[in-house]
Amino acid sequence: RKEVEQDPGPFNVPEGATVAFNCTYSNSASQSFFWYRQDCRKEPKLLMSVYSSGNEDGRFTAQLNRASQYISLLIRDSKLSDSATYLCVVNYDYKLSFGAGTTVTVRA
Amino acid sequence: DAGVIQSPRHEVTEMGQEVTLRCKPISGHNSLFWYRQTMMRGLELLIYFNNNVPIDDSGMPEDRFSAKMPNASFSTLKIQPSEPRDSAVYFCASSPPTGSNQPQHFGDGTRLSIL
Repeated sequence: RKEVEQDPGPFNVPEGATVAFNCTYSNSASQSFFWYRQDCRKEPKLLMSVYSSGNEDGRFTAQLNRASQYISLLIRDSKLSDSATYLCVVNYDYKLSFGAGTTVTVRA
Repeated sequence: DAGVIQSPRHEVTEMGQEVTLRCKPISGHNSLFWYRQTMMRGLELLIYFNNNVPIDDSGMPEDRFSAKMPNASFSTLKIQPSEPRDSAVYFCASSPPTGSNQPQHFGDGTRLSIL
């Protein structure tokens, strides 16, 4: 079983729509959680950290459910520039485990 | 502020040749990571350095791969001899010393093609 599992998508949504997706992780001792964004042929970039209480950063909302070991990301009022692959990332000690990514395409 | 700097951005070489990838971490970061990304396997951690010391090299595929970090501002990943299956994007990342739960910051990557 992979350490981090994500629905690969793709999620094709119109501009202005809300899109949400999640991932599950296998290591219950995982310590910190992140969403990274990766554009085609670019490096992964930190989008946001994910906290147990849930957190927002503008149009992005992340949630963590430790009991069920899943993490979610919701994008409101999606923009064309939100088109990317979103990587769910789980940290245990120093080691980051990456999901394979969820592809989101926002169309005009 | 300068981010993680990798060179070269692209490398195309014939199989059997030695390949050296270079990385300069963000100043003040004491953890450095080398990753490889392919379509088939996604992002894989190859090796992790902390304070210039290799801590975990369990992800290094085989003896053809070696990595060094002679000082806090420079690391190399070497493949000798290279093979076509080594073709991938190689990323270097660094993170600050304030605990092990810090996010990592990635360089632009080196796109390696072995013919």
